[in-house]
Amino acid sequence: EVQLVESGGGLVQPGESLRLSCAASGFTFSSYWMHWVRQAPGKGLVWVSRINSDGTSISYADSVVKGRFTISRDNAKNTLYLQMNSLRAEDTAVYYCARDLSYYDSSGYAKPSQFDYWGQGTLVTVSS
Amino acid sequence: QLVLTQSPSASASLGASVKLTCTLSSGHSSYAIAWHQQQPEKGPRYLMKVDSDGSHNKGDGIPDRFSGSSSGAERYLTISSLQSEDEADYYCQTWGTGIWVFGGGTKLTVL
Repeated sequence: EVQLVESGGGLVQPGESLRLSCAASGFTFSSYWMHWVRQAPGKGLVWVSRINSDGTSISYADSVVKGRFTISRDNAKNTLYLQMNSLRAEDTAVYYCARDLSYYDSSGYAKPSQFDYWGQGTLVTVSS
Repeated sequence: QLVLTQSPSASASLGASVKLTCTLSSGHSSYAIAWHQQQPEKGPRYLMKVDSDGSHNKGDGIPDRFSGSSSGAERYLTISSLQSEDEADYYCQTWGTGIWVFGGGTKLTVL
């Protein structure tokens, strides 16, 4: 059974940092692209960042991240991370990790695709 | 710009059918999308991928009551024999090179 379990959320003050983790199990973690998505209270889903299977390719929603977040992964530990620095009140949200079905074709071109599994989320609250 | 548009709300009666719509922005009518369901206080759940030709590929354990289709730039999610547990937010998602996009979501109320 595929499982994604986020942790590391909590209450922090503006300007502080936080590192989120997503522990994966039930599948070969090192074979899949992974994402972070966030959802502010009462709002919709917003894509934050993505990392490919071996960590060599990364992308961010620049309008959201503004150079403050860093995605990474440890395939030996089956864990995805999101380092969040200089946190602001508008970063308050539930953060979800998600598995992606993207792949590289035989020519080496990336073929992005949809998410097929999600975690239950971890709440980050930024407030003084 | 890759944008998905959804109606904010929809409603239908218990046992009836409902069709939710997701519209792709101009110039992106050939894109596939995915539908995700988010029940109250839960994480999202992948329902299916819908291609531009209307073919759809459902996620694990998704009941036959859920189906997808397409017409032009519109992608649809049809839920038949509505049950109380279908009351949820439904999000469509699409993707491009280095970018993933969600629609604003449709809140489905089962009457």
